Amino acid sequence: GEDVEQSLFLSVREGDSSVINCTYTDSSSTYLYWYKQEPGAGLQLLTYIFSNMDMKQDQRLTVLLNKKDKHLSLRIADTQTGDSAIYFCAESIQYSGGGADGLTFGKGTHLIIQP
Amino acid sequence: NAGVTQTPKFQVLKTGQSMTLQCAQDMNHEYMSWYRQDPGMGLRLIHYSVGAGITDQGEVPNGYNVSRSTTEDFPLRLLSAAPSQTSVYFCASSDTRYYGYTFGSGTRLTVV
Repeated sequence: GEDVEQSLFLSVREGDSSVINCTYTDSSSTYLYWYKQEPGAGLQLLTYIFSNMDMKQDQRLTVLLNKKDKHLSLRIADTQTGDSAIYFCAESIQYSGGGADGLTFGKGTHLIIQP
Repeated sequence: NAGVTQTPKFQVLKTGQSMTLQCAQDMNHEYMSWYRQDPGMGLRLIHYSVGAGITDQGEVPNGYNVSRSTTEDFPLRLLSAAPSQTSVYFCASSDTRYYGYTFGSGTRLTVV
């Protein structure tokens, strides 16, 4: 399958911005997603972006997509202790055409918040 | 509105035993899928379904069977459990396949 790469850890101070980066390899991926996983819990969809977009903003979250470099980033403004979690980047898998039949995930970035 | 419900939450099996992981959603979603999550790994797609009666293989289907007789339910069967199947299993569903999938809280399976 295609690979999605993320750095494993990111440490930021409370109140600063967090930027989590991701690179993907499938240039045909149409949909890209960011999920959040808290300890012992399932995955929560944070946001998504379509490949025909460069940027998407949703309250404290900003997603940037550079299709040429196959690079996706998630910026969390004013990082709080409640943002401490694992963040997964995911790209769509399309077996049957149209939409995402499944997702290919990165290994996740552990976001650590320092007081 | 319960969302995606997975049962059981925890299970210990002996090698060679069989079992079914249950997944049910009450959102009338057509699209459902199963993933496994191993330590230090992202989630990997096992099987998926695009509607009742239609299933297909994902990236890591070996050792697992699925069926989709109703829109609501998508059980995952392990026919003969192996230690390599020790993992956390997640079920997910979506109505459009464009705006992301909703995940259940997972089943932690240990095969000894």
